[in-house]
Amino acid sequence: DIQMTQSPSSVSASVGDRVTITCRASQGISNWLAWYQQKPGKAPKLLIYAASSLQTGVPSRFSGSGSGTDFTLTISSLQPEDFATYYCQQANSFPYTFGQGTKLEIK
Amino acid sequence: QLQLQESGPGLVKPSETLSLTCTVSSGSISSSSYYWGWIRQPPGKGLEWIGNIYYSGSSYYNPSLKSRVTISVDTSKNQFSLKLSSVSAADTAVYYCARLEGATGFDYWGQGTLVTVSS
Repeated sequence: DIQMTQSPSSVSASVGDRVTITCRASQGISNWLAWYQQKPGKAPKLLIYAASSLQTGVPSRFSGSGSGTDFTLTISSLQPEDFATYYCQQANSFPYTFGQGTKLEIK
Repeated sequence: QLQLQESGPGLVKPSETLSLTCTVSSGSISSSSYYWGWIRQPPGKGLEWIGNIYYSGSSYYNPSLKSRVTISVDTSKNQFSLKLSSVSAADTAVYYCARLEGATGFDYWGQGTLVTVSS
């Protein structure tokens, strides 16, 4: 199985800050990586697919980059509604696997 | 707007079989563009992919659960289902159904249903 490791596990930031979350795959996955946002009690929401493509309706302050084994999710200017937990997921091969999550908290 | 809705018992006894159904509305489960999947999340923990199915019935399972999992599809009802046998407390989780477009990610999700395994 491909292991997905996110860092940091949690981060505190303020409204307006720029935040970057990283995701590392245990082997190359090309650009088959998705990012999700999950708020308490809600289903995950797809933000980014194919490493850097913005899902329809997602604000442009979210961006993704990377290929191979190293990926990043960047939020350019944090808004109050962005405080949530973020997960990466590889879609290169079965079994699909998720990172352990990064909790973004208000400072 | 496509909608997915999970249904099934919220409480299952240890060693029994967990059965859930996902009903797809405002869209066809028979579309050749999509797979349909199950993902679960134990309370306070991360996400685990369980498996996917195509409308034709071809399926892929997580090896960690493969011996206990069956995913099936009923195109006449626009539904797909999950069966997980021999459950234990470790299978207590929120179970989500979702749509997968190729290898791009799960773009539509159900609201999730909590299944508790307890006697």
